[in-house]
Parts: sequence; C-alpha cells; structure tokens
Amino acid sequence: GAGVSQTPSNKVTEKGKYVELRCDPISGHTALYWYRQSLGQGPEFLIYFQGTGAADDSGLPNDRFFAVRPEGSVSTLKIQRTERGDSAVYLCASSSGTSGVGETQYFGPGTRLLVL
Amino acid sequence: SQQGEEDPQALSIQEGENATMNCSYKTSINNLQWYRQNSGRGLVHLILIRSNEREKHSGRLRVTLDTSKKSSSLLITASRAADTASYFCATVVNYQLIWGAGTKLIIKP
Repeated sequence: GAGVSQTPSNKVTEKGKYVELRCDPISGHTALYWYRQSLGQGPEFLIYFQGTGAADDSGLPNDRFFAVRPEGSVSTLKIQRTERGDSAVYLCASSSGTSGVGETQYFGPGTRLLVL
Repeated sequence: SQQGEEDPQALSIQEGENATMNCSYKTSINNLQWYRQNSGRGLVHLILIRSNEREKHSGRLRVTLDTSKKSSSLLITASRAADTASYFCATVVNYQLIWGAGTKLIIKP
C-alpha cells in the first residue's frame, strides 16, 4: 500500500479483556516497529522486527504484551488481561531495513485503545 | 524511558514569524530526527541529521546539532497556520527511536 495502515482506528475494551492491534507496513519494508504514546507524551518504543523475528523487544512493559510478524509483513500486537493503564495510542512504523541503524521510519495513523 | 526533552513545551506565535524549538538528549546517538504530529496521530518525518553533521536545511526547516552539548534545534521560518502541530525530536540509539515529550506549536493567523 501507499503507507502504513493500522486497524482498528479505535478500540474500546473492558479491563481484563484481550485485544489485538494490527499493522500493515509499507510494501517491501522489512523493518517494523511498535510504539505506545500516552496523552501529552512522546512515543515510547515497544518492539522492533527485522523480517519475521523480533530483533529488539526490550520496550515491551510486561509479559501481557506480545507481538508477532509471522510472514514478515503484517504484524499484530497482542495485549492480554488489559488494564486501564494500557490506554494509549499504539503506533506502528516501518522502514526499508536496508540502510542500517537510524533509517527513516514511516508511521501509521495509530490505534487509540481505551480500557474501561 | 524518554531520552529527549523539548523546550519550550508550548509555543504560540503569529503567522509569518519564525519558530524555534530545542531538544536535549542524554546519551550518544547515531542520528537525530524531527517529526511533526497533528491531533495526536500521524507522526510525519521532517528531517534527519547525522551525528557528524552540524546543520541541515529542508525548505523552511533548519536543524542544528551540537553533540558536545547533546542538543538540537529546529527552526521553522515564515510560519504558516498549517504548521500548527506538535513537534518531537527523536534520537536513534541502536535501532530504537527515543522520543522527547514534544513542543506544541500554535500559529495564530
């Protein structure tokens, strides 16, 4: 596609429920990133994929958070037993993966998650 | 954790004036990038400056980098109402983008 897309745009769920957030990166981009942004803050790194593998998952806050990218394209961020503190905008970005460290990342519009 | 700090947190100027935003960071970096965000969504990449560069221009944007002071500035010249947005600096540490809290810029018509 022309840009990074994310679905759903908005997700409202109840505390304790399981949610999945989807990211479709720019076609051909091998690097994919997930970030979380709380109101009034900058994005916070969660996880980075190179191809199908998670190259760096050091930003995942706890074991309730998990992300996959089974075919090296679409990625799904999964949150188990959601808590109110998980409410945020979840941003996905992709980059070509060919230029090494620090290449430009292209962001999707985000998924706004609200946990009631 | 957030590495960068933008200054000021908020800036309101008249259309046509120049806007300057500053960013400070803590650790060594590969490069530093500036992004714009409208309405809490859609981060748009503006400009990237490498650690061995001191200044870079792109249209009405001018970015400087001082690695000895661990700081960067973004200058927007001849501001327009459409420049109203939040501006973030992000430093690259390994493959992660580490972000500041942003400067909210309001351009008054």
